[in-house]
Amino acid sequence: SQTIHQWPATLVQPVGSPLSLECTVEGTSNPNLYWYRQAAGRGLQLLFYSVGIGQISSEVPQNLSASRPQDRQFILSSKKLLLSDSGFYLCACPSKSYRALNYGYTFGSGTRLTVV
Amino acid sequence: GDSVTQMEGPVTLSEEAFLTINCTYTATGYPSLFWYVQYPGEGLQLLLKATKADDKGSNKGFEATYRKETTSFHLEKGSVQVSDSAVYFCALSGGSTLGRLYFGRGTQLTVWP
Repeated sequence: SQTIHQWPATLVQPVGSPLSLECTVEGTSNPNLYWYRQAAGRGLQLLFYSVGIGQISSEVPQNLSASRPQDRQFILSSKKLLLSDSGFYLCACPSKSYRALNYGYTFGSGTRLTVV
Repeated sequence: GDSVTQMEGPVTLSEEAFLTINCTYTATGYPSLFWYVQYPGEGLQLLLKATKADDKGSNKGFEATYRKETTSFHLEKGSVQVSDSAVYFCALSGGSTLGRLYFGRGTQLTVWP
């Protein structure tokens, strides 16, 4: 079965500092990968998705960027964090049998980012 | 486009009470429907799913039936427990090649002993 690893689990960063959150996937190859953000009191917002190495699509204009340097690695970055970047960031990919049975997503355990 | 509308929270119940969290959707084609649960401090876990009309998903005492005629997928549990306290998300997958999931805003459930 596939597993998503995210780190760090929690992060407190000052405004204006850079950010790098990493997500790696095990148990599958060439997955579609997604970054979601859950801001306090709000639902899940899709930030970026990637269908392959070097292929990134952005859903919303923002202060963040994403990269996919390897098949099973997805990185979320920022050059200068804003207070509004605080939230819970989740990496996800379709479950292994998605194409056949549409089982939804596997999620990482998330990174809680607080910008101060 | 595809979207999910979920009952606003928070919902506060006493232990053993009946739970309903409403979810309706808009989608082209024949989506699959999901309920995800997020326990405090954790990521999302799939709670149950239904992939076609009239399917009933069930897990841990929770149930939801895929109603195409009312475009709904309401979550129910006959007797909630304190351990059910969490945020619940309704979601749909439209079956696109990208496999995107569209989420509702989430409903915070708190169960008191």
